[in-house]
Amino acid sequence: EAAVTQSPRNKVAVTGGKVTLSCNQTNNHNNMYWYRQDTGHGLRLIHYSYGAGSTEKGDIPDGYKASRPSQENFSLILELATPSQTSVYFCASGDMGRGGDTQYFGPGTRLLVL
Amino acid sequence: SQWGEENLQALSIQEGEDVTMNCSYKTYTTVVHWYRQDSGRGPALIILIRSNEREKRSGRLRATLDTSSQSSSLSITAAQCEDTAVYFCATDSNTGANTGKLTFGHGTILRVHP
Repeated sequence: EAAVTQSPRNKVAVTGGKVTLSCNQTNNHNNMYWYRQDTGHGLRLIHYSYGAGSTEKGDIPDGYKASRPSQENFSLILELATPSQTSVYFCASGDMGRGGDTQYFGPGTRLLVL
Repeated sequence: SQWGEENLQALSIQEGEDVTMNCSYKTYTTVVHWYRQDSGRGPALIILIRSNEREKRSGRLRATLDTSSQSSSLSITAAQCEDTAVYFCATDSNTGANTGKLTFGHGTILRVHP
């Protein structure tokens, strides 16, 4: 079965600090995604990647950077964390099938920015 | 309905009842995904319906798609307590080239009571 893992699972950060969220997938999928999920909202796409070395802006990229150093790893970086970035973050890897990308999600990272 | 400015929807039913969740989308898509998210976990794909399919079944699940009205529905027959979850629809804004990106609706909270 598809396997996407995230670390850390929980994180408390201070305003202005740097936060790095990591994601690893063993599916050998080319595509990887970072989403955030807030109460009352669906998942909103922050950054995504089509392969090692590539990153693309999603729908809400402001305040976030991404890094894809290898096929397996995709990181989300908050250079200067703010309380508004308190959320649950999900990573996903994608199987680019016909007519859409079936995505396999990790368990999520709960981030609290104080 | 999950899309646009609607807030997160909530449905509460008794075990054994049938339930239907609706989703309307704004942009052209060739496929509608339905994901299920259990508490504390990442979403998981449960059924996918393409634009050339009006109906798709998988076990107790039935998805429909009406491209003319840009709407989709997910029905669960004889709901069970373990169907309690949040259900999301998602579309791929496919313009001919598979982007792999998905846009998620706000979701429907389904609670099935014994």
